[in-house]
Amino acid sequence: AQTVTQSQPEMSVQEAETVTLSCTYDTSESDYYLFWYKQPPSRQMILVIRQEAYKQQNATENRFSVNFQKAAKSFSLKISDSQLGDAAMYFCAYRLKNNAGNMLTFGGGTRLMVKP
Amino acid sequence: KAGVTQTPRYLIKTRGQQVTLSCSPISGHRSVSWYQQTPGQGLQFLFEYFSETQRNKGNFPGRFSGRQFSNSRSEMNVSTLELGDSALYLCASSLAFQIKGAEQYFGPGTRLTVT
Repeated sequence: AQTVTQSQPEMSVQEAETVTLSCTYDTSESDYYLFWYKQPPSRQMILVIRQEAYKQQNATENRFSVNFQKAAKSFSLKISDSQLGDAAMYFCAYRLKNNAGNMLTFGGGTRLMVKP
Repeated sequence: KAGVTQTPRYLIKTRGQQVTLSCSPISGHRSVSWYQQTPGQGLQFLFEYFSETQRNKGNFPGRFSGRQFSNSRSEMNVSTLELGDSALYLCASSLAFQIKGAEQYFGPGTRLTVT
């Protein structure tokens, strides 16, 4: 079974600074997706960024980028120029790529606080 | 295009009762997944439906069941409610079951409180 671990229950960052959230996962599969989801106080889960395991290039979406280390099974999220609206719970998630549907396995989450 | 809608948004039930939650996916989406979110267990996958058939199931007791209708709307049912069933239930829709790269879009959730 796949597992996803987020070792930082809480993180804090000053507005305009950069913060990195950590995620490790365990799988015996070679073809999969990794995701970062944001859950603000409204509870609506929002996809932040997605990475395919077979793509060596790290995904980037505006201020959000990942550091994907497949051999180490590590998938960290870097938020640059942090904004007050970035304050939320962040979840790392894993999904098998082929013939396995859309089932996501989530980590325990990291609460990000942004200080003005 | 309207997003994923879940009804009701809030629900209070008594232990031993049963409850039905509803999820309407994004128009054109045919796959619906359900997740339970609690402070203790985090986010856990319940089941996934596609073409009115359950395709995947998480590790939950038989009290948790679901179904999908021909218009892709899905319902989940919890019978004989226990205090531990208090949670935020999230629904996610996706275009299909096995399209590579298909994104999932989440609804706002139904907050169930069991007293």
